[in-house]
Formats: sequence, structure tokens, C-alpha cells
Amino acid sequence: AQKITQTQPGMFVQEKEAVTLDCTYDTSDPSYGLFWYKQPSSGEMIFLIYQGSYDQQNATEGRYSLNFQKARKSANLVISASQLGDSAMYFCAMREAGYSSASKIIFGSGTRLSIRP
Amino acid sequence: EAGVTQFPSHSVIEKGQTVTLRCDPISGHDNLYWYRRVMGKEIKFLLHFVKESKQDESGMPNNRFLAERTGGTYSTLKVQPAELEDSGVYFCASSQDGGISYNEQFFGPGTRLTVL
Repeated sequence: AQKITQTQPGMFVQEKEAVTLDCTYDTSDPSYGLFWYKQPSSGEMIFLIYQGSYDQQNATEGRYSLNFQKARKSANLVISASQLGDSAMYFCAMREAGYSSASKIIFGSGTRLSIRP
Repeated sequence: EAGVTQFPSHSVIEKGQTVTLRCDPISGHDNLYWYRRVMGKEIKFLLHFVKESKQDESGMPNNRFLAERTGGTYSTLKVQPAELEDSGVYFCASSQDGGISYNEQFFGPGTRLTVL
């Protein structure tokens, strides 16, 4: 069965430092997609970044990058130059069954990131 | 363009009562999903509509939950009768029909349900 594991329930980071949020996954499907979502205190889920299982390069979106290590089944989120507004809950997620948007998403338990000024 | 909207934002009801949550997806999105996060646990998939049809309802916890999507537009999720363990945040998401290409699910702000 597919599973997402986030082992860091909470993290504190100094402003302007880089931060890595860990995520490991388990799936028997060779085709899958990995996501990171941000949930600020206001509650909405904000899409950050996507990595397809067949993508050759690590995904990047502005200050966000996804460190994709397929053999280790790891998809860590790296935030460079952290900002106070980055304080939020971060969820790693996976979608199986190829790239079809029809597949449901499986979420990890989340990591609460707090940025210190 | 309006995003996914959910109503109400908060609902407080007593055990045994009925509550109906509503989700309006992004216009033109055929796929609509319901998820929920019960306190302290992961966000869990409930079900998936493609237009008005239920594509996957494997995550529905029991028959106290009824989801509908009339005319393939907005969707409602009814809980009847509500139990204490139903408390949590209910998220709705929608996506286009992307075929085999990557396609993001856009999430609504969620409805926080509290059952007393």
C-alpha cells in the first residue's frame, strides 16, 4: 500500500537560513507524482511544487526545490533563504496511477515549520 | 478567476444532528475531491467525482456520509447523524481533466466541523 512518511512533526529555523523538510514514500507503482503543499494558519492548502517519477531533473519553483532521490524513495523539500511568511504546516503528498489527474492524493502527517526572526 | 470555495467555513453541531457541507469547484473542472483531516491525523481522501459520477468513494468512512454533485457543478457532503469522531477539517479540491499529463488539484479553504 502506498504511504507517505514525514518524520519531523515540528522544526524551528532562523530567518534567511535554508531548511530541508523530509519526506519518504512507499509505492509499488512505477508511475507516480509527488507534491508539497503549504498550509498557513489561515487554513488553505497552497500547492508548492510537483515532481513526476520519470522526471530526470529535480523540480524547482522559486525558493522551493524538491530533492528527489528515487532509489531511496525520498522527496525532501528545500526552502532557500527562509522568510517569516514561510511559517506554516507543510504536507508531502503522492498520487499514483501515472500522471492522471483522476487519482487521489495521499498525504503525510505534515511538518510544522516555524521561522524565527 | 475564483478558486475553490467551501461553505460554511465553520460549523458547530451536536452529536446526532445533520450537517451539510458545500463545495463549489473552479469553473470547468470536471474532477472534484473531498478530503478531511481529523484532529492530529493525516489528511485523508474521501471520494472523487468526475462530473456528476462518483469515480472513487473508497475513502468514505461509513454510510452516515453522503456526497452528491448535482449536474456536475457544486457538490455537497452530508453527515447524518454526526458523531464526535467526525470533527475535523473537510477540504474540497478540484482539477481539470488532464488525461495523462500532470494536473494540479486546487484546494478550497476547508470547512472546520466541530461535533459536540
